[in-house]
Amino acid sequence: AQRVTQPEKLLSVFKGAPVELKCNYSYSGSPELFWYVQYSRQRLQLLLRHISRESIKGFTADLNKGETSFHLKKPFAQEEDSAMYYCALSSNDMRFGAGTRLTVKP
Amino acid sequence: DGGITQSPKYLFRKEGQNVTLSCEQNLNHDAMYWYRQDPGQGLRLIYYSQIVNDFQKGDIAEGYSVSREKKESFPLTVTSAQKNPTAFYLCASSIKPAGFPFSGNTIYFGEGSWLTVV
Repeated sequence: AQRVTQPEKLLSVFKGAPVELKCNYSYSGSPELFWYVQYSRQRLQLLLRHISRESIKGFTADLNKGETSFHLKKPFAQEEDSAMYYCALSSNDMRFGAGTRLTVKP
Repeated sequence: DGGITQSPKYLFRKEGQNVTLSCEQNLNHDAMYWYRQDPGQGLRLIYYSQIVNDFQKGDIAEGYSVSREKKESFPLTVTSAQKNPTAFYLCASSIKPAGFPFSGNTIYFGEGSWLTVV
């Protein structure tokens, strides 16, 4: 069965520091992976998807099939990055991890 | 104004009563989903529908029911059989069903509905 694991419920960094939000998945087929973000008082929205290989708001994520990971990274965190981040796997449906709450301190 | 509309935003229910949460989308999306969001547990899939008149159970379907009679509508009924119904419920939709090969499928979410059982 497909599963998405985000091991850190809470992550706190200082402004300007690098940040990495971890995501591991289990799926027997070819996965399609996403990162979604929920800012305070806003809807959950797409941040980026692995097939696009894009950088959004300075964030990147690389799919590592050997390690079954899709970690989200940003070299210099900003206060406005504080939010709830969800990793998601698309297979027969869309499964989400438990989420990581990122706090960027000034 | 296009998008996904959930109603009501806040709902109180007495124990033993069924309640229906509405979800409407005008994005012409094929697939629709219902998730439950609890603190520390992320989003858990209740039901999803890839096409009209078809729907599938997610991880936590017990105590819930859905229908998909129209493409734009996917209401969720929380029945009295749901043991712990107090939660935040999110409806979502995507242009193609999840799993469509490398579709770049993006899910769009509604604003959510808070259900409290009193």
